[in-house]
Amino acid sequence: EDQVTQSPEALRLQEGESSSLNCSYTVSGLRGLFWYRQDPGKGPEFLFTLYSAGEEKEKERLKATLTKKESFLHITAPKPEDSATYLCAVPSGNTGKLIFGQGTTLQVKP
Amino acid sequence: KAGVTQTPRYLIKTRGQQVTLSCSPISGHRSVSWYQQTPGQGLQFLFEYFSETQRNKGNFPGRFSGRQFSNSRSEMNVSTLELGDSALYLCASSPGTANTGNTIYFGEGSWLTVV
Repeated sequence: EDQVTQSPEALRLQEGESSSLNCSYTVSGLRGLFWYRQDPGKGPEFLFTLYSAGEEKEKERLKATLTKKESFLHITAPKPEDSATYLCAVPSGNTGKLIFGQGTTLQVKP
Repeated sequence: KAGVTQTPRYLIKTRGQQVTLSCSPISGHRSVSWYQQTPGQGLQFLFEYFSETQRNKGNFPGRFSGRQFSNSRSEMNVSTLELGDSALYLCASSPGTANTGNTIYFGEGSWLTVV
């Protein structure tokens, strides 16, 4: 069964303290791994799509990487405005539906 | 370029009533998916439409239904509302179907409270 697991569930950082979020996945035939950011009361905001092991993408203080079994979202020198829930998801087989992890809620304190 | 637009943003309904939610995808996108988000279950897939045809359906009862129009706009309907239907309902659009690896963009969601 296709599955996505994210860790940790919650992460508290001081401003400027770099860290990484993990997304482990099990899916037959990866057709992309998506990272989203979700603020309270809002819909998920697209961040990155990764398609193959070894691929990396960056946007401001965020960098996403992909291996055959997991993806990491590295946050370098975070700021309070980076506080949000980060979700990763993969398309499930041929169904077209996205399987989401439970998310990592990040809090960055000034 | 306008994003995915969902209406209404907030609504309160009574048990037993029905509700219709609307979604306008990004211009040019032909695939529309719907998801339910609750604190306990996270994001759960409801269904996907492509070119007015339902391609996939999640594990939800028949009270949940949807449709897509020729302009790709979509609606979902929930009949005989139950308290457990209270959730954030998210619409997402992509150029093609999700299983082809197209990036999927979400709207802001419709907050449904059932009392």
